[in-house]
Amino acid sequence: AQSVTQLGSHVSVSEGALVLLRCNYSSSVPPYLFWYVQYPNQGLQLLLKYTTGATLVKGINGFEAEFKKSETSFHLTKPSAHMSDAAEYFCAVRFSSGNTPLVFGKGTRLSVIA
Amino acid sequence: ETGVTQTPRHLVMGMTNKKSLKCEQHLGHNAMYWYKQSAKKPLELMFVYSLEERVENNSVPSRFSPECPNSSHLFLHLHTLQPEDSALYLCASSPKYGAGGVEQFFGPGTRLTVL
Repeated sequence: AQSVTQLGSHVSVSEGALVLLRCNYSSSVPPYLFWYVQYPNQGLQLLLKYTTGATLVKGINGFEAEFKKSETSFHLTKPSAHMSDAAEYFCAVRFSSGNTPLVFGKGTRLSVIA
Repeated sequence: ETGVTQTPRHLVMGMTNKKSLKCEQHLGHNAMYWYKQSAKKPLELMFVYSLEERVENNSVPSRFSPECPNSSHLFLHLHTLQPEDSALYLCASSPKYGAGGVEQFFGPGTRLTVL
């Protein structure tokens, strides 16, 4: 079955440290990949997405993600964490180009320690 | 108003009440969605409307009844809910349904508590 796995329900980093949030999917064909962020008491906001082309995708707020087909991964990174990055992050996948829904991972809560 | 708005933001209801959640999008999109977000679970897609026609209904109990009177408005009518229905209900919209790399735009959600 097609699925999305986010390793680690909670990640804690120090301010200024590297942020790495992991996302793996199960699919035999390259999917469409998204990262969303949810701040407290808000809806989800798109950080970045991969559709085709360059596998390193840059998003808002200094985040980027790299699509690695061989590893079926789409990990999210940011070189230097800021206190304002504390939020819930969701990886989402659409497994075909047709009328199929987004499949979301369970989310990873990022805490940033001063 | 811009983007996707939802009202009310918070709702407390008893199991015998009837209430409705409202979603409005100001983006000119043709597809709208209802999601349920519970703690420690992935987002659950409940319903999808494309051009005002329901295209997805993911085994949602009949106590949840959606309505899409036009492409800008989406309602979720609630009746005889159970405590396990307490969750954050998110509305989203997209330019069209599915279509590969098309993203969804989310509203802030309605926090529902069923007593």
